[in-house]
Amino acid sequence: ETGVTQTPRHLVMGMTNKKSLKCEQHLGHNAMYWYKQSAKKPLELMFVYSLEERVENNSVPSRFSPECPNSSHLFLHLHTLQPEDSALYLCASSHLLAYVYEQYFGPGTRLTVT
Amino acid sequence: KNQVEQSPQSLIILEGKNCTLQCNYTVSPFSNLRWYKQDTGRGPVSLTIMTFSENTKSNGRYTATLDADTKQSSLHITASQLSDSASYICVVSEGSNYQLIWGAGTKLIIKP
Repeated sequence: ETGVTQTPRHLVMGMTNKKSLKCEQHLGHNAMYWYKQSAKKPLELMFVYSLEERVENNSVPSRFSPECPNSSHLFLHLHTLQPEDSALYLCASSHLLAYVYEQYFGPGTRLTVT
Repeated sequence: KNQVEQSPQSLIILEGKNCTLQCNYTVSPFSNLRWYKQDTGRGPVSLTIMTFSENTKSNGRYTATLDADTKQSSLHITASQLSDSASYICVVSEGSNYQLIWGAGTKLIIKP
């Protein structure tokens, strides 16, 4: 395992539901990331946190709301999603927010919006 | 526009055979290039990271090459095994930015 865990692994939700995805890293890293992976498309960076502060929000709709209470935990709160939001959501962490550092990924949450 | 293009999109080979996956990029300025392996339903796992000055790097049966002049990289897999079935993703880091430019991946299937 990579040292990054994500729960739940699978989630089915209706468009009016509210749910949260959880990510935890056990590597002592200081930067954490949320990515969206749709079929046959490159990974899309959604949010980046460094030392618990958000440093990047790549034009993500407000129906996605991240939260980073400490350097080990990252949440993605979901509300009033659309069917096109169905995808694999990946969490990653790295030692520091810099291009030379390895990013370690969790197994992902497979989200289906009905 | 910074882009990473991979070919082929998918590949099927027999167990024990070798194969080579290609990656072309237009990212500038270039910092490093990474190859990731992603098993179905799992997160990507890093295979190699190469900087501008490195031409080749090996990780077991995986050998990556980099030609920074032509902006091309390849990943060669030797003596393929069934467990090599996965998507292989080429990723380029831009300058000193923490953002990574991801390719769409090559889906490799190894048949017995």
